[in-house]
Amino acid sequence: EAGVTQFPSHSVIEKGQTVTLRCDPISGHDNLYWYRRVMGKEIKFLLHFVKESKQDESGMPNNRFLAERTGGTYSTLKVQPAELEDSGVYFCASSQERTKTGDTQYFGPGTRLTVL
Amino acid sequence: QKEVEQNSGPLSVPEGAIASLNCTYSDRVSQSFFWYRQYSGKSPELIMSIYSNGDKEDGRFTAQLNKASQYVSLLIRDSQPSDSATYLCAVNSYNTDKLIFGTGTRLQVFP
Repeated sequence: EAGVTQFPSHSVIEKGQTVTLRCDPISGHDNLYWYRRVMGKEIKFLLHFVKESKQDESGMPNNRFLAERTGGTYSTLKVQPAELEDSGVYFCASSQERTKTGDTQYFGPGTRLTVL
Repeated sequence: QKEVEQNSGPLSVPEGAIASLNCTYSDRVSQSFFWYRQYSGKSPELIMSIYSNGDKEDGRFTAQLNKASQYVSLLIRDSQPSDSATYLCAVNSYNTDKLIFGTGTRLQVFP
């Protein structure tokens, strides 16, 4: 069974540009999560989809970030316009059931975003 | 106060020794606790999950949970150089699905 995949693995952009990150969850997993780790800090939650619906977007830093999951399969996270403080590693995770019922989140390898 | 606290390390132990990794959390209604292992540049990989007070063993790994003290630990017996990685403690609070992570403890097992 394929794990969570993310694309690209690395992205280097200039301040003010737009970047779109993609996540493909494990097949059959309705729950999809985005997290971010900035340098020296802990991994922080951004948002949670159940199928195509946003269940919790309390961690989204501001309206420059837009996440979508059309059709309830893969998800994209767009940053527009990118700022220097957006640099970090963006992780995607998926789970079959809700974490609050005890299910496990499986993480992808992450996308390392560098904003210059 | 951070929601989940871990000593950043590095924690250095000789091969064959027991490595003890600790984590404290601030939210008393936390209900699920996870230990992830992350090799440099790789994805966090689940090692153990624990939901009830006490010990849970899986091979060389034992997770210990004490909800009264808001403390969760991971013991690695017979440590191997391949166990060298960053260990992330993650907590899930009641009625939410998000994981709250500590900064991780870097473990070094030397031959």
